[in-house]
Amino acid sequence: GAVVSQHPSWVICKSGTSVKIECRSLDFQATTMFWYRQFPKQSLMLMATSNEGSKATYEQGVEKDKFLINHASLTLSTLTVTSAHPEDSSFYICSAPGRQGVRTDTQYFGPGTRLTVL
Amino acid sequence: ILNVEQSPQSLHVQEGDSTNFTCSFPSSNFYALHWYRWETAKSPEALFVMTLNGDEKKKGRISATLNTKEGYSYLYIKGSQPEDSATYLCVSMDTGRRALTFGSGTRLQVQP
Repeated sequence: GAVVSQHPSWVICKSGTSVKIECRSLDFQATTMFWYRQFPKQSLMLMATSNEGSKATYEQGVEKDKFLINHASLTLSTLTVTSAHPEDSSFYICSAPGRQGVRTDTQYFGPGTRLTVL
Repeated sequence: ILNVEQSPQSLHVQEGDSTNFTCSFPSSNFYALHWYRWETAKSPEALFVMTLNGDEKKKGRISATLNTKEGYSYLYIKGSQPEDSATYLCVSMDTGRRALTFGSGTRLQVQP
């Protein structure tokens, strides 16, 4: 079946530093990937849609200059949290649809990354 | 309903019990409803994707129903086993933006 990996699984960083999170589709190509975050006791919230070869689409309220997304290949999307602050501490998770361009289909999720900013 | 709401938030049952959870979602502009099973420290795993009113899907001891007119879906687990312990996520998609809206999940613990 389709497998999505995510790295790192957890990271602790100092305030002001940047953190890169990788999302890889291991056995299928993903022209589209999605990035979500989950704050404690809240639902997963879609942050942005990562598009291979073009700019990401950000949800309302998500700062595109703070959360840089790069989808340089058909199997890799990266999310960089720039100048991280404690309020960016959250659980970040990515997914890729089983059939590209059709979001009704099953989403294959990575295991997520726990980011803690001190 | 503007958001996706799941109930109960958590549930403790004994092995062998049957159980069910509810997901309420916006019925206007409905496109699809997904159920995922999410074990701790693992990736959410797809259970069902449903699109049609009246849909019923089954996977082993787990089944789900969909009512798009009133905006709810039920997930049933027959004869719960300890390995069913997980958080069950309901995700709604609308026709407009095709955005994925997540419920907060129902956390199930099955005691052996």
